[in-house]
Amino acid sequence: GQQLNQSPQSMFIQEGEDVSMNCTSSSIFNTWLWYKQDPGEGPVLLIALYKAGELTSNGRLTAQFGITRKDSFLNISASIPSDVGIYFCAGPLLGAQKLVFGQGTRLTINP
Amino acid sequence: GAVVSQHPSRVICKSGTSVKIECRSLDFQATTMFWYRQFPKQSLMLMATSNEGSKATYEQGVEKDKFLINHASLTLSTLTVTSAHPEDSSFYICSARDPSIGETQYFGPGTRLLVL
Repeated sequence: GQQLNQSPQSMFIQEGEDVSMNCTSSSIFNTWLWYKQDPGEGPVLLIALYKAGELTSNGRLTAQFGITRKDSFLNISASIPSDVGIYFCAGPLLGAQKLVFGQGTRLTINP
Repeated sequence: GAVVSQHPSRVICKSGTSVKIECRSLDFQATTMFWYRQFPKQSLMLMATSNEGSKATYEQGVEKDKFLINHASLTLSTLTVTSAHPEDSSFYICSARDPSIGETQYFGPGTRLLVL
């Protein structure tokens, strides 16, 4: 099925570094969602974006809804060990209830 | 707010038995719930969309007689894996949508199924 193109697929960083990941699509989305999934757990919503150009923060996390409505990025500043996990972007197809997901970005932090 | 629970968190069963997984929205009414399956190191794969009071809509390739879905109330959907086999072993995750706040889906903690 259709997926969002999420990159990078994995990141290995040092604690304290900033992180940036993004998602792109050939289709327009009206909502962009960013989730984090820890091993053995369900995804947890981090940030929801509802408007093109919107820039929203949640603590050390910042996400933006691209002006073209075809992309979004998520930044994490000053990473800490608990940021380790898999980050997914997602969005509902226009006119549909179901979400399409990115492939995920696996974040590993070296202490 | 927007809490979704799943029960059980993990289950081990013998081949040929049926397993029921419950998904509940604890603090909102969910007219629509979704069931996903996730394989190791992969993204979530949508199995079906569960609408309260009507039949579920299954994704292509998902057997509706194998994975029975019931959404009898605005806060509960169940997934029953019938006649489970080892290849059904997986991580099953539900999500629920609160229509009052748009398209955002809130996920349950997942159920790890192991079929021996």
